Amino acid sequence: AQRVTQPEKLLSVFKGAPVELKCNYSYSGSPELFWYVQYSRQRLQLLLRHISRESIKGFTADLNKGETSFHLKKPFAQEEDSAMYYCALFNAGNMLTFGGGTRLMVKP
Amino acid sequence: KAGVTQTPRYLIKTRGQQVTLSCSPISGHRSVSWYQQTPGQGLQFLFEYFSETQRNKGNFPGRFSGRQFSNSRSEMNVSTLELGDSALYLCASSLKETGELFFGEGSRLTVL
Repeated sequence: AQRVTQPEKLLSVFKGAPVELKCNYSYSGSPELFWYVQYSRQRLQLLLRHISRESIKGFTADLNKGETSFHLKKPFAQEEDSAMYYCALFNAGNMLTFGGGTRLMVKP
Repeated sequence: KAGVTQTPRYLIKTRGQQVTLSCSPISGHRSVSWYQQTPGQGLQFLFEYFSETQRNKGNFPGRFSGRQFSNSRSEMNVSTLELGDSALYLCASSLKETGELFFGEGSRLTVL
């Protein structure tokens, strides 16, 4: 069975500090992974996907098949990065398996 | 383009009742999926429809059902409501089968 684990429910950092949101997965096939974000009073929205290998709002994520991880990183956190972050594993039929989410708080 | 629209936004029901939630996808999107979000279980996949056909179903009891209409609008129904059905129900639409979903604001159901 596929599973996504985000070990930290809450991550608190100071502005300008590096951020790493952890995500581990278990999946028997070739995984397609995503990060979704929900800012306060906004809809859940796609942040980035591993296939595109792009940087969005300064965030990057590398798929490590050996460690079955897809950690989200940003070198310098900003206050506007404060949000709920969800790692998700894609399956056929547009089914996403979400991790439990990590709340990122960036303090001034 | 207008985003995914869900109605009603809030509703309160009592145990044993049934509820129908509605979702209008982004124009042109033919895939509509539903998720249940609770503090304890997080975001869980309910089902996905494409061109009026259910393609995928999550691990929920048969009390949870859905359908999609020819205009891609979708409804989900929960019968014989239980206290544990209290949750935020999110609808998402997608243009392709890529995992890029566009979510609505959700319908918050409270079961008393």
